[in-house]
Amino acid sequence: AQSVTQLDSHVSVSEGTPVLLRCNYSSSYSPSLFWYVQHPNKGLQLLLKYTSAATLVKGINGFEAEFKKSETSFHLTKPSAHMSDAAEYFCVVSLTTDSWGKFQFGAGTQVVVTP
Amino acid sequence: DAGVIQSPRHEVTEMGQEVTLRCKPISGHNSLFWYRQTMMRGLELLIYFNNNVPIDDSGMPEDRFSAKMPNASFSTLKIQPSEPRDSAVYFCASTETSLSQFFGPGTRLTVL
Repeated sequence: AQSVTQLDSHVSVSEGTPVLLRCNYSSSYSPSLFWYVQHPNKGLQLLLKYTSAATLVKGINGFEAEFKKSETSFHLTKPSAHMSDAAEYFCVVSLTTDSWGKFQFGAGTQVVVTP
Repeated sequence: DAGVIQSPRHEVTEMGQEVTLRCKPISGHNSLFWYRQTMMRGLELLIYFNNNVPIDDSGMPEDRFSAKMPNASFSTLKIQPSEPRDSAVYFCASTETSLSQFFGPGTRLTVL
C-alpha cells in the first residue's frame, strides 16, 4: 500500500526567504507524486507533478520539487517566499498502476509568511 | 473551460434534513471523486466514479450518504438525514487520466 507523510504541520518563513516543505512517501510501485496548494476558503490547485520523467519538477508560481528515490522523498521548495504563498500545501501519491487515479493525501503543511 | 463546478457553495441546514450537493466535472473527464475535508480528519475520499460507474465507495461514512452519477456531466452527493457531524467542506474533483485531479471550489456544509 502507498502512503505519504508530510514532516511539518506548520512552517513559518519571512517574505523573500526560501521555503522548504518536506514529504516522504511509501510505495510498492513506481509512484506518481503531486503537490497541491489550498488557499483559505478555496479549492485545491495543482502546483506540480512527478510521473517518472525528470526528477526535478518545476511547477507554477516558482515552486519546484525533486524526486529522490533513494530517500523516498519529494520535497517542495521555492527560493523566495511571497506573501501570496501563505496557504496549506498537500503532498499526494498515486499508484501509476491505478488507472482510476485514486489519490492518497498527506496531512498538509500550513505555511505562514511574515513581512 | 469553466473547471469543475459545484453547487451550492454554502449550505446551512438543520439536523434531520436532506442535503444534496451537486457537481459538474470538466468536459471530457471520465473519473469523478467526492472528498470531505474537516479540521479533525483532513481530506477524505468518499467515493469515486469511472465512466459514470461507482468504483470504490468504501470511504462513504454511513448509509445516510449516497452518491450518483447519472451521466458524464453530473453527479450528486446526498445526505439523508443530515447530522451536525456531517458539517464539513465537500469537494468534487475530476480527471481524464490518473495523472492529475482538478478540484472544484467546494461546498461548505453546516448542519445545525
